[in-house]
Amino acid sequence: ETGVTQTPRHLVMGMTNKKSLKCEQHLGHNAMYWYKQSAKKPLELMFVYNFKEQTENNSVPSRFSPECPNSSHLFLHLHTLQPEDSALYLCASSQETGLNSYEQYFGPGTRLTVT
Amino acid sequence: AQSVTQLGSHVSVSEGALVLLRCNYSSSVPPYLFWYVQYPNQGLQLLLKYTSAATLVKGINGFEAEFKKSETSFHLTKPSAHMSDAAEYFCAVSDMDTGRRALTFGSGTRLQVQP
Repeated sequence: ETGVTQTPRHLVMGMTNKKSLKCEQHLGHNAMYWYKQSAKKPLELMFVYNFKEQTENNSVPSRFSPECPNSSHLFLHLHTLQPEDSALYLCASSQETGLNSYEQYFGPGTRLTVT
Repeated sequence: AQSVTQLGSHVSVSEGALVLLRCNYSSSVPPYLFWYVQYPNQGLQLLLKYTSAATLVKGINGFEAEFKKSETSFHLTKPSAHMSDAAEYFCAVSDMDTGRRALTFGSGTRLQVQP
């Protein structure tokens, strides 16, 4: 499935580093999402963008900074992370119209390890 | 607010046996419901969806699910398990009441298939 791509697939960073995760969707969708998936915890919604506007921020710490320059690209900028931020970060997209069913399409994720 | 409960974090079946993964939802209005599958080190893939049409929904890989309003359930079944079905399965609900775009996911059920 190549509708939603994420880079890098794996990332190891120190707590003082700055890095960015990239997501690109090739489906013509207008909404994009960041999720965090930690071991033994449900998927946690982090951010929602609809038509490039952030419509939801679920109390995410400021060390995570999203950016959505257009409806096809979504970034997650990371700085001064903590070890507990190690997780799989998933990007998703969907088409938001009055008739759609809200299904989301996911990328393969970025496995982040904070040392 | 909507919620999803998946009964059983781990389910083990023999190859060729029936697969039954349980999902119960809570929603103030008729919801849209989804099942996703996640293989190791991959993102989530949509298996099937219920969008208020037929209550029995057929998906990919031989899976199907039945929406039962009286039981607030949307259980996932497959008549005969295959080794390749071993993965984690997530039930999700969309909030049709508020129009909130993001899905709410259950905590997942890991399916093991024994030879």
